[in-house]
Amino acid sequence: KNEVEQSPQNLTAQEGEFITINCSYSVGISALHWLQQHPGGGIVSLFMLSSGKKKHGRLIATINIQEKHSSLHITASHPRDSAVYICAVQGGDGGSQGNLIFGKGTKLSVKP
Amino acid sequence: DAGITQSPRHKVTETGTPVTLRCHQTENHRYMYWYRQDPGHGLRLIHYSYGVKDTDKGEVSDGYSVSRSKTEDFLLTLESATSSQTSVYFCAISVGFRTVNTEAFFGQGTRLTVV
Repeated sequence: KNEVEQSPQNLTAQEGEFITINCSYSVGISALHWLQQHPGGGIVSLFMLSSGKKKHGRLIATINIQEKHSSLHITASHPRDSAVYICAVQGGDGGSQGNLIFGKGTKLSVKP
Repeated sequence: DAGITQSPRHKVTETGTPVTLRCHQTENHRYMYWYRQDPGHGLRLIHYSYGVKDTDKGEVSDGYSVSRSKTEDFLLTLESATSSQTSVYFCAISVGFRTVNTEAFFGQGTRLTVV
């Protein structure tokens, strides 16, 4: 079983729709990261959070530590939001290798 | 944007040849990581470095070696490339995950094809 599970794997939306991407994890963590990867592009950090909620523009990330679950919301989606969104967790003890554990990503396509 | 540069960005090489990928940072971050990204998998750690000359293996380190002789450069070497090493390779840097919750910064990736 993967330690970080994302759902859905693929998501198609119409421009303007409200989008939710979910991330569940099975290990104790100290922080959770949401990353964005455009086709053929690099990976950009969107959020790092360890509790509660953060907002940047149309993007909102929430985390429930007790439930071991995080969500990434996109309000008023736009075609430029089309990308792969990746959830990654940072172990509670720093991890044996001091690194992130990644989900497989959610591919979002927003149609005009 | 964090100053991370990967080179080359694309490479095609033949099976059995050695290949070196370079990651260069201008942020003076202590931790540097090499990941590979393959369809159906999340990013997987190959090797990481926690300082000059200090490196350790990740979960998919077989067939790879690394070196870090300067803070700013982290090299990934495939001693004898195999087709299973065809992948997209990402370098990342951070202040450090081990004790501090810090943001990670990623390079643009290197697409390596072994034929």
